Amino acid sequence: DAGVTQSPTHLIKTRGQQVTLRCSPISGHKSVSWYQQVLGQGPQFIFQYYEKEERGRGNFPDRFSARQFPNYSSELNVNALLLGDSALYLCASSRVGGDAGTEAFFGQGTRLTVV
Amino acid sequence: KQEVTQIPAALSVPEGENLVLNCSFTDSAIYNLQWFRQDPGKGLTSLLLIQSSQREQTSGRLNASLDKSSGRSTLYIAASQPGDSATYLCAVRQTTSGTYKYIFGTGTRLKVLA
Repeated sequence: DAGVTQSPTHLIKTRGQQVTLRCSPISGHKSVSWYQQVLGQGPQFIFQYYEKEERGRGNFPDRFSARQFPNYSSELNVNALLLGDSALYLCASSRVGGDAGTEAFFGQGTRLTVV
Repeated sequence: KQEVTQIPAALSVPEGENLVLNCSFTDSAIYNLQWFRQDPGKGLTSLLLIQSSQREQTSGRLNASLDKSSGRSTLYIAASQPGDSATYLCAVRQTTSGTYKYIFGTGTRLKVLA
């Protein structure tokens, strides 16, 4: 089975532009979460989507938005890009939310560079 | 607010050594704890998951333990190899108002010298 796939792998954008990142979860997984990892830090939670509904967001500005489609794939959008948005964006896929045995699987990430 | 700390931040060892990576967390109300490996510029690879009711998990040369009451987990790597060189992240899974999320430490950068 294919793992979590993210596209594109690398992206360079100019300050003020908008970007869309994409994620396809593992088949059968209905929960998708997005994380931002700045160089040298651990990933920080941005959003969780489950059954196409937003179930939570982290401490990120409204410039960040996301959605989940009927096939459970997801998009993360960032508007009005700032230099500080440069990071590795990771997508995580899991079966359900509330089971202690639920394991998260991460994609290879999208490296976003804002210049 | 949950905080996850990993010690040491970096570690360099000769090949063949056994080593221990430490992870501590401040809030014991967790669903599980996962250890991940991250190669430079890459995504996260899941190594071991320990459910909150479990004490340890083993996979090959890796053994992870969990002491929820004291807020600690350790990852033991036996007979280290140069291919083990990577950053190791621990993450605790929690829920807040129906949101399930992972809170990560900043990682331990491991270098195994041939």
